[in-house]
Amino acid sequence: NAGVTQTPKFQVLKTGQSMTLQCAQDMNHNSMYWYRQDPGMGLRLIYYSASEGTTDKGEVPNGYNVSRLNKREFSLRLESAAPSQTSVYFCASAQNTYTDTQYFGPGTRLTVL
Amino acid sequence: KQEVTQIPAALSVPEGENLVLNCSFTDSAIYNLQWFRQDPGKGLTSLLLIQSSQREQTSGRLNASLDKSSGRSTLYIAASQPGDSATYLCAVRLSYNTDKLIFGTGTRLQVFP
Repeated sequence: NAGVTQTPKFQVLKTGQSMTLQCAQDMNHNSMYWYRQDPGMGLRLIYYSASEGTTDKGEVPNGYNVSRLNKREFSLRLESAAPSQTSVYFCASAQNTYTDTQYFGPGTRLTVL
Repeated sequence: KQEVTQIPAALSVPEGENLVLNCSFTDSAIYNLQWFRQDPGKGLTSLLLIQSSQREQTSGRLNASLDKSSGRSTLYIAASQPGDSATYLCAVRLSYNTDKLIFGTGTRLQVFP
């Protein structure tokens, strides 16, 4: 099992450009999450999906959109990137919401110039 | 608003030493608390999860304790090894019906030979 995979690993964008971060899990988990990690601020939840076909906002959703393409895949889209979105982005999955351990991908390091 | 603090931000110890990492939270009404390990450039790996009704959890050389009333959790690492070098994060879940984890900013541990 590959667990949770993310692409790309690194990305540099110019302000205003758009891009989609991809996440896939092969553990047949129902729930998937997107976090961002910034120095001195810990991880913060951007969006999550409790099950295929549903998505909900987390703590810092502004400037992002998500798509739960199927049970395996959960993508995060930046429509018009801003320097404030420079961060490390982590995708995670769990068997179910609320009670279960979340498994994390290796992260995408995004720099917006 | 729940805030999670980890002190110290960094710790350096010689191999073989027993050590304690601290996690404090401001609101004692939590559902559970997790400890994660993060290696440089990688995602998070769950180490231990303590439900609010539990006092401690053990896994190998790791022991995590929880004192809800005082808003504190500790992660005890016995006989530390260089391979334990990583950043350790704690995260609290506020209630049974929320997906939101509140993360601390982590303690960066270095164990030198």
